[in-house]
Amino acid sequence: QVQLQQWGAGLLKPSETLSLSCAVYGGSFSGYYWSWIRQPPGKGLEWIGEINHSGSTNYNPSLKSRVTISVATSKNQLSLKLNSVTAADTAVYFCARNMGAMDVWGQGTTVTVSS
Amino acid sequence: DIQLTQSPSFLSASVGDRVTITCRASQGISSSLAWYQQKPGKAPNLLIYDASTLQSGVPSRFSGSGSGTEFTLTISSLQPEDFATYYCHCQELNGYRAFGQGTKVDIK
Repeated sequence: QVQLQQWGAGLLKPSETLSLSCAVYGGSFSGYYWSWIRQPPGKGLEWIGEINHSGSTNYNPSLKSRVTISVATSKNQLSLKLNSVTAADTAVYFCARNMGAMDVWGQGTTVTVSS
Repeated sequence: DIQLTQSPSFLSASVGDRVTITCRASQGISSSLAWYQQKPGKAPNLLIYDASTLQSGVPSRFSGSGSGTEFTLTISSLQPEDFATYYCHCQELNGYRAFGQGTKVDIK
């Protein structure tokens, strides 16, 4: 059974770079897109972007200028970097497998941006 | 890019009720419309994909329908564990993905 395990820094100051990673266990890494989604406190889901095993990416246009998603295929891992964070980037961040819909999700990582 | 609008945003219902949530797209989309259930503090859980295909392990009281710009999620008989927030989600061929704003189903 495929499982996604996330980790990364949970507290950032404004202007710093958010950096999260997500490891895929128990299943194939190739053949799927792997997505990042976030959810601000008390709000809905926002798609950030995605990557496949060969490094092809799609990004949300509203975040594209600040986001980099990368992949380490040998480790079955993907990473998210979001630079120049502000309080508006405070959210729970999820990674998920996209098979046409997002059928497997990580546990979520809470990221707080505060001075 | 496509915008998804769910209605209602909040719904109060009783156990045993039939519940319908609508997701309207700002332009026509393919059948790649999915529905998720999310409970507080948890990751979303995929219920329906390709508009009407039930994800493995999801109870049959959940069903999806629709095409073009209007899609619905129906819960035929609401159970206590179904009180949650529901999101629709679409995927465009150009690689853009979008979520609806969510529908919270609460106990009447």
